[in-house]
Amino acid sequence: GNSVTQMEGPVTLSEEAFLTINCTYTATGYPSLFWYVQYPGEGLQLLLKATKADDKGSNKGFEATYRKETTSFHLEKGSVQVSDSAVYFCAPEGAGSYQLTFGKGTKLSVIP
Amino acid sequence: DVKVTQSSRYLVKRTGEKVFLECVQDMDHENMFWYRQDPGLGLRLIYFSYDVKMKEKGDIPEGYSVSREKKERFSLILESASTNQTSMYLCASNQISTDTQYFGPGTRLTVL
Repeated sequence: GNSVTQMEGPVTLSEEAFLTINCTYTATGYPSLFWYVQYPGEGLQLLLKATKADDKGSNKGFEATYRKETTSFHLEKGSVQVSDSAVYFCAPEGAGSYQLTFGKGTKLSVIP
Repeated sequence: DVKVTQSSRYLVKRTGEKVFLECVQDMDHENMFWYRQDPGLGLRLIYFSYDVKMKEKGDIPEGYSVSREKKERFSLILESASTNQTSMYLCASNQISTDTQYFGPGTRLTVL
């Protein structure tokens, strides 16, 4: 089945710093790739996704590019805010067409 | 607006009790999922259902069962709760033709 390796946290950054959270995966074929975010006390919600090679997903200033050659989908943001403090999950599409394989999550804390 | 609701945000039960966790979605989605979330382990799939009365085991089904009698409702059952089932339980749903999963807010279950 598919698997995912995600950068371990926790990550602590100052406001306006640059963020990268690494994510690599193993999969059969070319799965859709997702980043989900979990704010404190809430369930997960979709942050962005990419469905084919070289696609760039973007939302709320976050970006990730589907890199087929390196099987990676790193999450980036140029200038983080305190409100970005959350846990981020990388998730390639799983074995079935509607399943996801979640990474262990990376906790981000942004301090003023 | 998309909505997945879970019956309780917090639940405390005793070892050996039968526990029911309920999840309802209002989006007419075909697929529903139950995950548990534990620190350092991320999200792990317990069971999923792709249609009424249909279910498939996920990665960690032991000690759990599920029921889907109506399309909008997916129940997770702990037949005899144990302390190692203390966890955050997340329900999600999606449609076959679209792959974004929509999550409920979670139920934090403590088994004493």
